[in-house]
Amino acid sequence: KNEVEQSPQNLTAQEGEFITINCSYSVGISALHWLQQHPGGGIVSLFMLSSGKKKHGRLIATINIQEKHSSLHITASHPRDSAVYICAVTGNQFYFGTGTSLTVIP
Amino acid sequence: DVKVTQSSRYLVKRTGEKVFLECVQDMDHENMFWYRQDPGLGLRLIYFSYDVKMKEKGDIPEGYSVSREKKERFSLILESASTNQTSMYLCASGPSGGGNQPQHFGDGTRLSIL
Repeated sequence: KNEVEQSPQNLTAQEGEFITINCSYSVGISALHWLQQHPGGGIVSLFMLSSGKKKHGRLIATINIQEKHSSLHITASHPRDSAVYICAVTGNQFYFGTGTSLTVIP
Repeated sequence: DVKVTQSSRYLVKRTGEKVFLECVQDMDHENMFWYRQDPGLGLRLIYFSYDVKMKEKGDIPEGYSVSREKKERFSLILESASTNQTSMYLCASGPSGGGNQPQHFGDGTRLSIL
């Protein structure tokens, strides 16, 4: 049983497209995290949120606590956005989704 | 800037060897974590530590041990490496405060056991 489910698993988009990645979770949480992993392995934290919406540049993250669902949006996508995006939630421990592999084609 | 440093990016070892993976953080974080990442399975927690000389098992501790003698350093030890331990290993650190604090990750060590 996966506490965190992401969709889609793989996503290919043309440069400039609007992209949405979804995350659903089944446990009680104190926060939800969106992480980005580039080829080569390093992971960086993009957002941590417990309610509402956050925006950073072309990235927007939203969370609906009642529905246990979060979305990560990328506006005007660019090839450098190509990476694996991982949703993680924290309750009494960290739970990770399996990631969404995004490829943005020029 | 925040920095978590893993000693090796790539490592190749033989079955039965004792393998040490080192992780150092410069943020004075209380919490440190070791994960492995496998295709289709995401990140899985092996061990974590919330203080010097303290350790807690994660979801998949079998075949691994850890050491935290100093606050900034957290070592993962494969006592007798096996081929099913071929994986990407990621270290992370974070301040006390649990889930309301982001974790900071190293660049990962891709370990191959032959």
